[in-house]
Amino acid sequence: EAAVTQSPRNKVAVTGGKVTLSCNQTNNHNNMYWYRQDTGHGLRLIHYSYGAGSTEKGDIPDGYKASRPSQENFSLILELATPSQTSVYFCASGDQGGNSDYTFGSGTRLLVI
Amino acid sequence: GEQVEQRPPHLSVREGDSAVITCTYTDPNSYYFFWYKQEPGASLQLLMKVFSSTEINEGQGFTVLLNKKDKRLSLNLTAAHPGDSAAYFCAVSANTGANTGKLTFGHGTILRVHP
Repeated sequence: EAAVTQSPRNKVAVTGGKVTLSCNQTNNHNNMYWYRQDTGHGLRLIHYSYGAGSTEKGDIPDGYKASRPSQENFSLILELATPSQTSVYFCASGDQGGNSDYTFGSGTRLLVI
Repeated sequence: GEQVEQRPPHLSVREGDSAVITCTYTDPNSYYFFWYKQEPGASLQLLMKVFSSTEINEGQGFTVLLNKKDKRLSLNLTAAHPGDSAAYFCAVSANTGANTGKLTFGHGTILRVHP
């Protein structure tokens, strides 16, 4: 069954440390997305990708990098984690075109202390 | 860019009552509209996808209305039951322009249906 798998499910990181969140999809979708979800803000787009080798800035990219080494994998990297990056992060995949809905992963809960 | 406003942020109804959630959007190129449901601690699941050519869309226990003139999208849960308790998010994408293929989400509505 086609799916989007995120790892880890939960992560505790120290301030200033490096954090990598991983996402793998078996939908063969071209597009992949990273969102963070915070109370009162809904889902906000951090980075997205149109295919292997491509990364684009979303609405709140500061403090984050992204990497798309293959069609299946899309990583979100926090080089110097800060407590303000404590959040739930969702990865999603979708086809090209405006009519494509997204398939979401189960989310990663990140706590930066 | 696109801005999506969703109301209300919290909604509490009795079992059997209806619950209405509304979103307004700004981009005139918006063409595809989505409603997602998120149960506590879980991921987002697609409820319905509608296109701007269709104004009324019915699902199991709910109706989605689209008013293109007012740029308003609503989700009406008829006869809500406790299993409908969840967070609901609208999302919008365009078929042309900078927002093509990118979903812009509303801030969500937390619905509680109590007996």
